[in-house]
Amino acid sequence: DAKTTQPPSMDCAEGRAANLPCNHSTISGNEYVYWYRQIHSQGPQYIIHGLKNNETNEMASLIITEDRKSSTLILPHATLRDTAVYYCIVRVNNAGNMLTFGGGTRLMVKP
Amino acid sequence: KAGVTQTPRYLIKTRGQQVTLSCSPISGHRSVSWYQQTPGQGLQFLFEYFSETQRNKGNFPGRFSGRQFSNSRSEMNVSTLELGDSALYLCASSFGLGPGTQYFGPGTRLLVL
Repeated sequence: DAKTTQPPSMDCAEGRAANLPCNHSTISGNEYVYWYRQIHSQGPQYIIHGLKNNETNEMASLIITEDRKSSTLILPHATLRDTAVYYCIVRVNNAGNMLTFGGGTRLMVKP
Repeated sequence: KAGVTQTPRYLIKTRGQQVTLSCSPISGHRSVSWYQQTPGQGLQFLFEYFSETQRNKGNFPGRFSGRQFSNSRSEMNVSTLELGDSALYLCASSFGLGPGTQYFGPGTRLLVL
């Protein structure tokens, strides 16, 4: 699976959009971009995933650049409950369920 | 639909002992994966089971083992516990092999003294 690079920490004001970047410059054509988050002392939670098109669900939006070398997870209106570590994971979609977690980005949403 | 459940939630053991952790996946899910989370190493993949067969294994010593039953419930065992085995052990379930969307349980926090 391709390696990802994320900033170790970010702050965001409550009610504002949180934009979390992820660099995956060595991504292969058949690799998907997945985002999970882990709120303190809980198990990770799936957020969203995509291949090359932008994706949106009730939790977030995923913007993938045209060359697929980077992506941005957008939480449109961050709340205090969105404070968590966010993990960007790149992997193929048919090779088992193993996830390789990096260090992630610790997002702190402040009032 | 009930989520992934793990038992026990907390456990204290001493060095040299062995421990068994249990995971019940979401109903209908056939894949169970296990992860270890420590402050130093982060989240690391242990192994994955699908239809009672181990499909993938992470880079952990043979003291770490697991199995899956016909009802998809899974157990992992750690023998001859070491202080460094103190960690949060997470179980995740998914419907099949490789959709990537996994649902994690709350974890079992193991403390080895």
